[in-house]
Amino acid sequence: NAGVTQTPKFRILKIGQSMTLQCTQDMNHNYMYWYRQDPGMGLKLIYYSVGAGITDKGEVPNGYNVSRSTTEDFPLRLELAAPSQTSVYFCASTPSGRGEQFFGPGTRLTVL
Amino acid sequence: GENVEQHPSTLSVQEGDSAVIKCTYSDSASNYFPWYKQELGKRPQLIIDIRSNVGEKKDQRIAVTLNKTAKHFSLHITETQPEDSAVYFCAASKANFGNEKLTFGTGTRLTIIP
Repeated sequence: NAGVTQTPKFRILKIGQSMTLQCTQDMNHNYMYWYRQDPGMGLKLIYYSVGAGITDKGEVPNGYNVSRSTTEDFPLRLELAAPSQTSVYFCASTPSGRGEQFFGPGTRLTVL
Repeated sequence: GENVEQHPSTLSVQEGDSAVIKCTYSDSASNYFPWYKQELGKRPQLIIDIRSNVGEKKDQRIAVTLNKTAKHFSLHITETQPEDSAVYFCAASKANFGNEKLTFGTGTRLTIIP
Protein backbone atom coordinates (compact mmCIF):
# COMPACT_ATOMS: atom_id res chain seq x y z
CA ASN A 1 0.00 0.00 0.00
CA ALA A 2 1.19 3.50 -0.82
CA GLY A 3 -0.89 4.89 2.08
CA VAL A 4 -1.81 8.56 1.73
CA THR A 5 -0.21 10.38 -1.19
CA GLN A 6 -0.29 14.08 -2.01
CA THR A 7 0.65 16.07 -5.09
CA PRO A 8 2.35 18.39 -5.72
CA LYS A 9 5.13 18.43 -3.09
CA PHE A 10 5.85 22.13 -3.62
CA ARG A 11 4.07 24.94 -5.41
CA ILE A 12 4.44 28.69 -5.76
CA LEU A 13 1.31 30.62 -6.70
CA LYS A 14 0.72 34.24 -7.54
CA ILE A 15 -1.99 36.15 -5.71
CA GLY A 16 -5.37 35.47 -7.30
CA GLN A 17 -4.37 32.21 -8.99
CA SER A 18 -6.19 28.99 -8.28
CA MET A 19 -5.03 25.43 -7.83
CA THR A 20 -6.06 22.01 -6.60
CA LEU A 21 -4.10 20.00 -4.08
CA GLN A 22 -4.54 16.30 -4.67
CA CYS A 23 -4.89 13.65 -1.98
CA THR A 24 -5.36 9.94 -2.55
CA GLN A 25 -5.43 7.00 -0.15
CA ASP A 26 -5.45 3.31 -1.02
CA MET A 27 -6.44 1.96 2.40
CA ASN A 28 -10.20 2.13 1.80
CA HIS A 29 -10.58 4.62 4.65
CA ASN A 30 -13.91 6.36 4.96
CA TYR A 31 -12.69 9.44 6.83
CA MET A 32 -10.40 11.99 5.23
CA TYR A 33 -9.15 15.37 6.46
CA TRP A 34 -7.30 18.44 5.23
CA TYR A 35 -5.09 20.40 7.63
CA ARG A 36 -2.84 23.39 7.28
CA GLN A 37 0.29 23.87 9.35
CA ASP A 38 1.73 27.36 9.65
CA PRO A 39 5.35 27.78 10.83
CA GLY A 40 5.74 27.01 14.52
CA MET A 41 2.07 26.19 14.87
CA GLY A 42 -0.07 23.12 15.22
CA LEU A 43 -2.38 21.66 12.64
CA LYS A 44 -5.65 23.42 11.88
CA LEU A 45 -8.52 21.47 10.30
CA ILE A 46 -9.77 22.97 7.02
CA TYR A 47 -12.34 20.43 5.80
CA TYR A 48 -13.14 16.80 6.43
CA SER A 49 -15.21 14.02 4.91
CA VAL A 50 -16.84 10.98 6.51
CA GLY A 51 -17.43 9.22 3.20
CA ALA A 52 -17.93 9.68 -0.52
CA GLY A 53 -20.34 12.52 -1.22
CA ILE A 54 -20.17 13.95 2.33
CA THR A 55 -18.00 16.88 3.36
CA ASP A 56 -18.05 19.38 6.20
CA LYS A 57 -16.17 22.47 7.35
CA GLY A 58 -13.45 22.41 9.91
CA GLU A 59 -11.93 25.25 11.90
CA VAL A 60 -10.50 27.34 9.01
CA PRO A 61 -12.52 26.67 5.80
CA ASN A 62 -12.60 30.18 4.31
CA GLY A 63 -10.90 30.38 0.92
CA TYR A 64 -11.03 26.62 0.31
CA ASN A 65 -13.39 24.09 -1.22
CA VAL A 66 -13.42 20.31 -1.30
CA SER A 67 -15.21 17.46 -2.98
CA ARG A 68 -15.33 13.71 -2.33
CA SER A 69 -16.65 11.83 -5.33
CA THR A 70 -14.79 8.59 -4.51
CA THR A 71 -13.54 6.90 -1.35
CA GLU A 72 -9.93 7.25 -2.53
CA ASP A 73 -9.70 10.92 -3.49
CA PHE A 74 -10.21 14.13 -1.52
CA PRO A 75 -8.96 17.18 -3.48
CA LEU A 76 -8.64 20.63 -1.90
CA ARG A 77 -9.32 23.64 -4.11
CA LEU A 78 -7.97 27.16 -3.63
CA GLU A 79 -9.92 29.56 -5.84
CA LEU A 80 -8.25 32.96 -5.28
CA ALA A 81 -4.90 32.42 -3.63
CA ALA A 82 -3.87 34.91 -0.95
CA PRO A 83 -0.56 35.31 0.94
CA SER A 84 -2.37 34.17 4.11
CA GLN A 85 -2.71 30.74 2.50
CA THR A 86 1.05 30.21 2.47
CA SER A 87 1.40 27.07 4.54
CA VAL A 88 2.12 23.35 4.53
CA TYR A 89 -1.00 21.34 3.76
CA PHE A 90 -1.47 17.82 5.08
CA CYS A 91 -4.10 15.33 4.07
CA ALA A 92 -4.97 12.50 6.47
CA SER A 93 -7.26 9.50 6.60
CA THR A 94 -8.60 7.06 9.15
CA PRO A 95 -10.78 3.98 8.74
CA SER A 96 -13.54 4.70 11.23
CA GLY A 97 -12.92 8.19 12.58
CA ARG A 98 -12.09 6.78 16.00
CA GLY A 99 -8.35 6.25 16.03
CA GLU A 100 -5.03 6.93 14.38
CA GLN A 101 -5.00 9.38 11.52
CA PHE A 102 -2.54 8.52 8.75
CA PHE A 103 -0.96 11.58 7.19
CA GLY A 104 0.31 12.22 3.69
CA PRO A 105 3.75 13.76 3.09
CA GLY A 106 2.39 17.29 2.75
CA THR A 107 2.32 20.04 0.11
CA ARG A 108 4.34 23.20 0.74
CA LEU A 109 2.48 26.13 -0.81
CA THR A 110 3.81 29.67 -1.15
CA VAL A 111 1.60 32.51 -2.37
CA LEU A 112 3.46 35.62 -3.54
CA GLY B 1 -15.28 24.48 20.40
CA GLU B 2 -12.39 22.57 21.90
CA ASN B 3 -9.20 24.44 22.85
CA VAL B 4 -5.94 22.60 23.53
CA GLU B 5 -2.98 24.33 25.16
CA GLN B 6 0.47 22.75 25.15
CA HIS B 7 3.56 23.54 27.23
CA PRO B 8 6.43 24.07 26.96
CA SER B 9 6.91 25.26 23.39
CA THR B 10 10.58 24.22 23.46
CA LEU B 11 12.36 21.72 25.67
CA SER B 12 16.01 20.67 25.80
CA VAL B 13 17.13 17.67 27.84
CA GLN B 14 20.37 15.76 28.21
CA GLU B 15 20.49 12.40 26.53
CA GLY B 16 19.34 9.76 28.99
CA ASP B 17 17.20 12.15 31.03
CA SER B 18 13.39 12.25 30.99
CA ALA B 19 11.16 14.72 29.14
CA VAL B 20 7.62 15.73 30.06
CA ILE B 21 5.19 17.66 27.86
CA LYS B 22 1.84 18.83 29.22
CA CYS B 23 -1.48 19.66 27.57
CA THR B 24 -4.77 20.98 28.85
CA TYR B 25 -8.13 20.83 27.09
CA SER B 26 -11.32 22.80 27.54
CA ASP B 27 -14.19 20.48 26.50
CA SER B 28 -15.04 18.01 29.26
CA ALA B 29 -16.75 15.79 26.64
CA SER B 30 -13.41 15.08 24.91
CA ASN B 31 -12.49 11.44 25.30
CA TYR B 32 -9.63 10.66 22.92
CA PHE B 33 -6.12 12.08 23.34
CA PRO B 34 -3.40 11.16 20.83
CA TRP B 35 0.20 12.32 20.65
CA TYR B 36 1.94 12.82 17.31
CA LYS B 37 5.65 13.14 16.56
CA GLN B 38 6.83 15.20 13.61
CA GLU B 39 10.45 15.07 12.53
CA LEU B 40 11.82 17.97 10.53
CA GLY B 41 10.26 18.10 7.07
CA LYS B 42 8.24 14.93 7.68
CA ARG B 43 4.59 14.11 8.25
CA PRO B 44 3.11 13.75 11.77
CA GLN B 45 2.98 10.17 13.04
CA LEU B 46 1.05 8.77 15.98
CA ILE B 47 3.27 7.61 18.85
CA ILE B 48 0.72 6.90 21.57
CA ASP B 49 -2.90 7.63 22.41
CA ILE B 50 -5.20 7.30 25.39
CA ARG B 51 -8.96 7.19 25.84
CA SER B 52 -10.84 8.67 28.76
CA ASN B 53 -11.62 5.35 30.41
CA VAL B 54 -7.89 4.86 31.12
CA GLY B 55 -5.65 6.93 33.41
CA GLU B 56 -2.27 5.86 32.08
CA LYS B 57 -0.82 4.03 29.11
CA LYS B 58 2.75 2.96 28.48
CA ASP B 59 4.68 1.79 25.43
CA GLN B 60 8.34 1.08 26.13
CA ARG B 61 9.98 4.47 26.90
CA ILE B 62 6.83 6.48 26.23
CA ALA B 63 3.89 6.95 28.58
CA VAL B 64 0.81 9.15 28.64
CA THR B 65 -1.19 10.10 31.73
CA LEU B 66 -4.67 11.59 31.80
CA ASN B 67 -6.40 13.54 34.56
CA LYS B 68 -10.02 14.01 33.49
CA THR B 69 -10.95 16.05 36.56
CA ALA B 70 -8.27 18.62 35.87
CA LYS B 71 -8.64 18.25 32.08
CA HIS B 72 -4.99 17.71 31.41
CA PHE B 73 -2.79 14.99 29.97
CA SER B 74 0.95 14.56 29.69
CA LEU B 75 3.55 12.77 27.59
CA HIS B 76 6.51 11.24 29.39
CA ILE B 77 9.62 10.07 27.55
CA THR B 78 12.24 8.26 29.63
CA GLU B 79 15.88 7.50 28.79
CA THR B 80 15.80 10.00 25.94
CA GLN B 81 17.84 9.33 22.81
CA PRO B 82 18.97 11.60 19.96
CA GLU B 83 16.26 10.18 17.69
CA ASP B 84 13.64 11.55 20.10
CA SER B 85 14.48 15.06 18.85
CA ALA B 86 11.35 16.26 17.02
CA VAL B 87 8.22 18.35 17.44
CA TYR B 88 5.51 16.69 19.51
CA PHE B 89 1.82 17.57 19.20
CA CYS B 90 -0.97 16.65 21.56
CA ALA B 91 -4.57 16.56 20.38
CA ALA B 92 -8.06 16.00 21.73
CA SER B 93 -11.38 14.95 20.28
CA LYS B 94 -14.83 13.72 21.14
CA ALA B 95 -14.61 10.35 19.43
CA ASN B 96 -18.31 10.05 18.85
CA PHE B 97 -19.21 7.38 16.39
CA GLY B 98 -18.87 8.79 12.91
CA ASN B 99 -17.31 12.13 13.73
CA GLU B 100 -13.79 12.40 15.08
CA LYS B 101 -12.24 15.82 14.59
CA LEU B 102 -8.90 16.41 16.27
CA THR B 103 -7.97 19.74 17.84
CA PHE B 104 -4.19 20.02 18.05
CA GLY B 105 -1.94 21.85 20.49
CA THR B 106 0.70 24.21 19.11
CA GLY B 107 3.56 21.72 19.53
CA THR B 108 6.70 21.25 21.63
CA ARG B 109 10.10 21.22 19.98
CA LEU B 110 12.16 18.66 21.91
CA THR B 111 15.93 18.72 21.53
CA ILE B 112 18.05 15.94 23.00
CA ILE B 113 21.55 17.13 23.88
CA PRO B 114 24.18 14.39 23.37
